[in-house]
Amino acid sequence: DVKVTQSSRYLVKRTGEKVFLECVQDMDHENMFWYRQDPGLGLRLIYFSYDVKMKEKGDIPEGYSVSREKKERFSLILESASTNQTSMYLCASRAPGLAGGEQYFGPGTRLTVT
Amino acid sequence: KNQVEQSPQSLIILEGKNCTLQCNYTVSPFSNLRWYKQDTGRGPVSLTIMTFSENTKSNGRYTATLDADTKQSSLHITASQLSDSASYICVVSANPGTALIFGKGTTLSVSS
Repeated sequence: DVKVTQSSRYLVKRTGEKVFLECVQDMDHENMFWYRQDPGLGLRLIYFSYDVKMKEKGDIPEGYSVSREKKERFSLILESASTNQTSMYLCASRAPGLAGGEQYFGPGTRLTVT
Repeated sequence: KNQVEQSPQSLIILEGKNCTLQCNYTVSPFSNLRWYKQDTGRGPVSLTIMTFSENTKSNGRYTATLDADTKQSSLHITASQLSDSASYICVVSANPGTALIFGKGTTLSVSS
């Protein structure tokens, strides 16, 4: 059974803290993604990675960085958390295929920055 | 600009009734279209994925249609159940490239 797991379901952090969100997939997928989801805005792509140590900016990368040291793990880093980064964060990995195969999402991390 | 528009934004129906959700897109060139179901507080789960040559695809009580000429898709839910209450997201993939274009979703509430 396909699985994408995220390190925390709920997280509360203070403004200015460094925050790490971890994502692990067990499908040997090369492509992994980080999105944030906000009411009325839908899912927006923050960063994606198509291979180990490779990363590409998505639509809203400001205030975020990522790390992909191993194929199965993709981390999202908030260098200095701010209240406008309070959101639902979703990790996904994608099967290979022309223009993208099936995409599998993790359960999400609800981050609150106070 | 590549866009995916969904309607209605929200919908309330009685248990046992059918409903249809709409998705219009302006993505070009087109590769495939996906429908996802997202329960509250959970990650999206794939329902269907359709390529250019496919007009319809079913997954149990869910049937998706695609008209690539008019750039429209619909998701039809038959004999709705309380567990169908969720957000339904239409996602289009452009070719080439790996970026997915997401609609903002339709929130469906099924009441007894």
